[in-house]
Amino acid sequence: EPEVTQTPSHQVTQMGQEVILRCVPISNHLYFYWYRQILGQKVEFLVSFYNNEISEKSEIFDDQFSVERPDGSNFTLKIRSTKLEDSAMYFCASSEEGQGYNEQFFGPGTRLTVL
Amino acid sequence: AQTVTQSQPEMSVQEAETVTLSCTYDTSESDYYLFWYKQPPSRQMILVIRQEAYKQQNATENRFSVNFQKAAKSFSLKISDSQLGDAAMYFCAYRSDYNNNDMRFGAGTRLTVKP
Repeated sequence: EPEVTQTPSHQVTQMGQEVILRCVPISNHLYFYWYRQILGQKVEFLVSFYNNEISEKSEIFDDQFSVERPDGSNFTLKIRSTKLEDSAMYFCASSEEGQGYNEQFFGPGTRLTVL
Repeated sequence: AQTVTQSQPEMSVQEAETVTLSCTYDTSESDYYLFWYKQPPSRQMILVIRQEAYKQQNATENRFSVNFQKAAKSFSLKISDSQLGDAAMYFCAYRSDYNNNDMRFGAGTRLTVKP
């Protein structure tokens, strides 16, 4: 059964460094999402992406964040200059359609630790 | 803004018994979708069951069913004949029909199944 995959599973970085989190959505899906979960807190929506552009972003998704679909398979989240408070689990998700009823398929997450 | 509340951080159930996980939400919208996601340890979130707000009939998926009370803004998950494999974090989520991209999650309930 097709799955969303994410790499790396764990990323450790120094404050101020740039990180790129990678996701491979399910191949026939058209809508892509990033969420994050700070330890002990709720899963929070960051951004959605469709047709090679951001369709929606939350207030968390500031200028330090960017997303890209560099080729036909990868979907990346870049944090330009990491802060301590960026430490969290980052989940990628994809869906076939964008309507609200459609299931979002989640990846296993990347644990980002900023030192 | 919509919020989702799961008031039970942890629940436990005896194998083969029934357990109900609570979820309430706050919204002024009339059209939306509700989801329960399961996250086993070190695994990705997978969809358990979903409900369209305009449908009065409660959704059912095998041993999983919901009690959707629209007026009370309540969406509880009932797991019947609990199995060891049901042990996981369970997240309740809300998705607007007007802003499909933003899925709001509750804080999660950790379910333990005792043999």
